[in-house]
Amino acid sequence: QKEVEQNSGPLSVPEGAIASLNCTYSDRGSQSFFWYRQYSGKSPELIMSIYSNGDKEDGRFTAQLNKASQYVSLLIRDSQPSDSATYLCAVTRGGSNYKLTFGKGTLLTVNP
Amino acid sequence: DTGVSQNPRHKITKRGQNVTFRCDPISEHNRLYWYRQTLGQGPEFLTYFQNEAQLEKSRLLSDRFSAERPKGSFSTLEIQRTEQGDSAMYLCASSPGTGVLIYSSGANVLTFGAGSRLTVL
Repeated sequence: QKEVEQNSGPLSVPEGAIASLNCTYSDRGSQSFFWYRQYSGKSPELIMSIYSNGDKEDGRFTAQLNKASQYVSLLIRDSQPSDSATYLCAVTRGGSNYKLTFGKGTLLTVNP
Repeated sequence: DTGVSQNPRHKITKRGQNVTFRCDPISEHNRLYWYRQTLGQGPEFLTYFQNEAQLEKSRLLSDRFSAERPKGSFSTLEIQRTEQGDSAMYLCASSPGTGVLIYSSGANVLTFGAGSRLTVL
């Protein structure tokens, strides 16, 4: 089992729709969870961080964490073509809080 | 200081040559990381510094790779005797860090540089 798993996509949604991106992780000791956005040819940029169970909202983005299910998700409301990018899920492992382990990323395409 | 700076941005080299990449982190950040990313994959951890101390090296980092952060500021990543399989984007990141690992404080939020793309012919 891979440490961090994401559906590679591509995920295609129409403009204005809700995009739902999912991620599962294998280490129950993981404590910190991140979503990064990466445009083609660019470096990752932080979108959201979440550390406790539940939802965390920031503008059009909502991160959801369920540690019991080892599941973290990112919802993007009112999707825009500028949201088209690869979204990377990253987690820290238990006992190694400084090192992020990334999933392969999910390619999101928002169609005008 | 507007972010993490990496150079060169692109490097094309012939197999067997040595290459060196430089990273200048955000000045107040004491943690510095090197990651490698290939097409269609997420970044893979290579190594990590807390100030000038290299605290962890991935098994991905063969003996041809060496990283330094001599004064706890900028870092270099050198690849000796490059191979075609070394072709990748090399990403540097930094984070604030604290003396105590308070994970909820954002101390472990990584800010990435633009990356250095290596092509080995």
